[in-house]
Amino acid sequence: SYELTQPPSVSVSPGQTARITCSGDALPKQYVCWYQQKPGQAPVLVIYKDTVRPSGIPERFSGSSSGTTVTLTISGVQAEDEADFYCQSGDSSGTYVVFGGGTKLTV
Amino acid sequence: QVQLQESGPGLVKPSQTLSLTCTVSGGSISSGAYYWSWIRQHPGKGLEWIGYIYHSGSTYYNPSLKSLITISVDTSKNQFSLKLSSVTAADTAVYYCARALASPTVTTGGTFFDSWGQGTLVTVSS
Repeated sequence: SYELTQPPSVSVSPGQTARITCSGDALPKQYVCWYQQKPGQAPVLVIYKDTVRPSGIPERFSGSSSGTTVTLTISGVQAEDEADFYCQSGDSSGTYVVFGGGTKLTV
Repeated sequence: QVQLQESGPGLVKPSQTLSLTCTVSGGSISSGAYYWSWIRQHPGKGLEWIGYIYHSGSTYYNPSLKSLITISVDTSKNQFSLKLSSVTAADTAVYYCARALASPTVTTGGTFFDSWGQGTLVTVSS
């Protein structure tokens, strides 16, 4: 079955830039979105259509795409950004939703 | 602003059917602009898409769960529901309902979930 691959963990100091990657063979053909999930809470959409930031999401969150890898970048990381982050896209047919395994961001 | 709220039993016995309902407020399920979805998260694990339904009744199910799940919609009550049959302990999870954009600009798989319920923990145990 189709998979999206994320690093299990990323660690940065406050004020630094965090980059979380998501890899998948079908990514050049599919949009990717990103969710932030804090403990005990539902996920929150932070990036959709590869690079679009929903209203209310801080500008320090950005998305980029290059071939089979997409990247969520958090510039000037703050302590409140510590959370699990999940990428999501469609499978190779575009029909079914697939989530990455998640990345724990430690600040 | 749309809100979604899951409801249903928090405890289900093995081999029985798990049934959950999501009530949508602040927006109409019949709008046609969205898919209405179920997603689950096993304790301490990642997110797993279960499936979704369009207001017309068209459904898309995770192929790995397809034989066990039914998602239905009741537009008169602005609700949609999940039934998962023959549950085992492996189905213990937090179950979320969520709204996903339905648009020609995104595929059914490449859409995104912009609103989520708070989630409900369902434990499968005798």
